[in-house]
Amino acid sequence: NAGVTQTPKFQVLKTGQSMTLQCAQDMNHEYMSWYRQDPGMGLRLIHYSVGAGITDQGEVPNGYNVSRSTTEDFPLRLLSAAPSQTSVYFCASRDPGWTAGNTIYFGEGSWLTVV
Amino acid sequence: DAKTTQPTSMDCAEGRAANLPCNHSTISGNEYVYWYRQIHSQGPQYIIHGLKNNETNEMASLIITEDRKSSTLILPHATLRDTAVYYCIVRVGRGAQKLVFGQGTRLTINP
Repeated sequence: NAGVTQTPKFQVLKTGQSMTLQCAQDMNHEYMSWYRQDPGMGLRLIHYSVGAGITDQGEVPNGYNVSRSTTEDFPLRLLSAAPSQTSVYFCASRDPGWTAGNTIYFGEGSWLTVV
Repeated sequence: DAKTTQPTSMDCAEGRAANLPCNHSTISGNEYVYWYRQIHSQGPQYIIHGLKNNETNEMASLIITEDRKSSTLILPHATLRDTAVYYCIVRVGRGAQKLVFGQGTRLTINP
């Protein structure tokens, strides 16, 4: 049981390049999400998914696309990277169903620098 | 959506109890209070959650006021490894699926 796995851990992009941050979980969690964290700031929700084929926007969705073709994977795509997207990205997943005890599990983070 | 307010930073001596306050005055009746922490450069870690009763687990205790407008996370015997940013979160959003993180409290445990 690996939990939530993010790749790559570090990435440098040039402005205008595209890339995909991968996120996979092996806990059969229906709910997955992506957050970004800028230096000295809290986490901000980018996109989330409540199950395969269903995605929705969070607080800061602009510049990012997501899809959810399987329960296990929730990739985050940057179509045209901008320096403002330099940040640490965290993927998270949660137990299925809506009960208060469901804990959210986070990946270890992906450090992205756009130059 | 309920918002939370926390002090920006706090200090505590090693071995003493660390008490981290959180205000959530607009919390609704079916919203839970969650606490997470983030140790430098790591993903956030779940600590504890509660609705209206006080809760305790192996990591911490959570005290929620009777009117539910505020709560306190207690680390009973703080260690240096407890130095982290602590987030108080009220479960919000459609279907209550989302967690919205504020800026949290940066807790420093001093030797």
